[in-house]
Amino acid sequence: GENVEQHPSTLSVQEGDSAVIKCTYSDSASNYFPWYKQELGKRPQLIIDIRSNVGEKKDQRIAVTLNKTAKHFSLHITETQPEDSAVYFCAASNRGSARQLTFGSGTQLTVLP
Amino acid sequence: SAVISQKPSRDICQRGTSLTIQCQVDSQVTMMFWYRQQPGQSLTLIATANQGSEATYESGFVIDKFPISRPNLTFSTLTVSNMSPEDSSIYLCSAWTGKYEQYFGPGTRLTVT
Repeated sequence: GENVEQHPSTLSVQEGDSAVIKCTYSDSASNYFPWYKQELGKRPQLIIDIRSNVGEKKDQRIAVTLNKTAKHFSLHITETQPEDSAVYFCAASNRGSARQLTFGSGTQLTVLP
Repeated sequence: SAVISQKPSRDICQRGTSLTIQCQVDSQVTMMFWYRQQPGQSLTLIATANQGSEATYESGFVIDKFPISRPNLTFSTLTVSNMSPEDSSIYLCSAWTGKYEQYFGPGTRLTVT
């Protein structure tokens, strides 16, 4: 089955700096890659996603890039703010119409004021 | 997007007992899923709740331990049976609306003593 690896497990940045989180996947059939943000005690919230027919997608301060050849995708957050502090999970979906998600292990992002 | 609610939000149960968790979506959805998130860990898919048929379980999860129902397109239940302390976790349901995005409920925090 699919295996998703995520790095780093923890990341601390100064407010205003950029943060990058990287994930690799194993199944070349995966075609959908969402990113979720989970604040302490809250549900995972979808913040951005990318499909396999697109190389990059941007939404304000957040961007995701996908390299299908290398089977990796990355989350980029620019101009970080303290409210960006949370655990971020990448995921991959490779089940055709079934849409089950395989998650990475998560990255604890801390933005220092 | 879909609005998802879960009941109960948390519970403390004795070992050997069972707990049924309810998941309600505000609109008809194509697929519903159940995940487990152990403390400080990532999300692991338990099963896909199929409307009108038996759930599809992932490796390591069995129907006798985690029976699932999905009587209609907006509702599902997960039962955690014959509980042990190792079942202490957060259980989340999610819904896929038929496009790409998958949304999560707020989770049920289960503690087994």
